[in-house]
Amino acid sequence: ETGVTQSPTHLIKTRGQQVTLRCSSQSGHNTVSWYQQALGQGPQFIFQYYREEENGRGNFPPRFSGLQFPNYSSELNVNALELDDSALYLCASSLERGSYEQYFGPGTRLTVT
Amino acid sequence: AQSVAQPEDQVNVAEGNPLTVKCTYSVSGNPYLFWYVQYPNRGLQFLLKYITGDNLVKGSYGFEAEFNKSQTSFHLKKPSALVSDSALYFCAVRVDTGFQKLVFGTGTRLLVSP
Repeated sequence: ETGVTQSPTHLIKTRGQQVTLRCSSQSGHNTVSWYQQALGQGPQFIFQYYREEENGRGNFPPRFSGLQFPNYSSELNVNALELDDSALYLCASSLERGSYEQYFGPGTRLTVT
Repeated sequence: AQSVAQPEDQVNVAEGNPLTVKCTYSVSGNPYLFWYVQYPNRGLQFLLKYITGDNLVKGSYGFEAEFNKSQTSFHLKKPSALVSDSALYFCAVRVDTGFQKLVFGTGTRLLVSP
């Protein structure tokens, strides 16, 4: 196990609703990245947070937003859910912003109906 | 754009036989390459990485990968497959554009039969 935890494990939401997913980084890691893994696809980078600031963003609309807290835990918020948002959401923590290795949590399975 | 490709959706191998999972990359500059494994209902587990140095990289669980610059490949290998190796394998490249992110391939499902 990597020491990265995510909650909840599974979540079912209705189209148009809002959702918050949570991630607790490995101890001492100050950088967290979020990825979306649709069924049958590889993970796609959403954004990265470093010391509570957004450090970089992938090709996702603004309704995907995040937060990183002083203890380096993190949240992913998605507004106005769409059916295509159904996916496994993975967070990954890194010791530092430039670290080569990212340690992934088990993911949150989001289903939008 | 920097990317990796995994040309096989699935690889089948008998237990005890050697296995190879293929990955090719398209990168400007020096490639930083990774292999991850995903078991059902689990996140990604890091197997190994190539940053620089020896072309043969050894990783977790007896896996290794061979970096080949001329063929732009980074194939994952194991001399003797186990049934427990059956999982989904992802190749990834690190992309630096002011921040670092991983760009993943589409994954290869490895099925090891007893």
